[in-house]
Amino acid sequence: TQLLEQSPQFLSIQEGENLTVYCNSSSVFSSLQWYRQEPGEGPVLLVTVVTGGEVKKLKRLTFQFGDARKDSSLHITAAQPGDTGLYLCAGPPSSNTGKLIFGQGTTLQVKP
Amino acid sequence: NAGVTQTPKFQVLKTGQSMTLQCAQDMNHNSMYWYRQDPGMGLRLIYYSASEGTTDKGEVPNGYNVSRLNKREFSLRLESAAPSQTSVYFCASTPLAGVWEQFFGPGTRLTVL
Repeated sequence: TQLLEQSPQFLSIQEGENLTVYCNSSSVFSSLQWYRQEPGEGPVLLVTVVTGGEVKKLKRLTFQFGDARKDSSLHITAAQPGDTGLYLCAGPPSSNTGKLIFGQGTTLQVKP
Repeated sequence: NAGVTQTPKFQVLKTGQSMTLQCAQDMNHNSMYWYRQDPGMGLRLIYYSASEGTTDKGEVPNGYNVSRLNKREFSLRLESAAPSQTSVYFCASTPLAGVWEQFFGPGTRLTVL
């Protein structure tokens, strides 16, 4: 069974700090996605990483896909209160059954 | 475009009552999904429909039924609600099975007393 494990599960930081969230698996994924979910809303896709070693930047957010395609990280520089939310990584199963695999999520709170 | 819409937004049921959660998308997507979200457990797939006319079980299908009414609509039914079904339910869609970007609705917050 393919699993995605995220760490940390909870993170509470002050505005302006940097942070990194990790998404790890023992299995190889063809791609990994990162979603952000704000309180009271559904998840929204931030990025998809496809190539091993790939780095994508979205303003203050940097996403990296591990060389072996078994892990990914999300780094936020100078966090802002607007970054508060639940961050989920997700990946397609090797069986290609149409069921996306989600990590359990990292809850981020950025205090002003 | 409204994207993915869900009704109702909130619902309180008593144990044993039944209800149907409605989901519709206006993006002409083929595949639709129902998830539940519980604290610390991420998103768990209940049922999905790869295309109109097909449905398949996900990770936690017990106690639920689904209907893919047409290409736009995918409903989730609780026949006899139980407190363990208290959760936030999300509907999602993708253009095609195998296209992994999922578009989510705003969720239905269900409490079963």
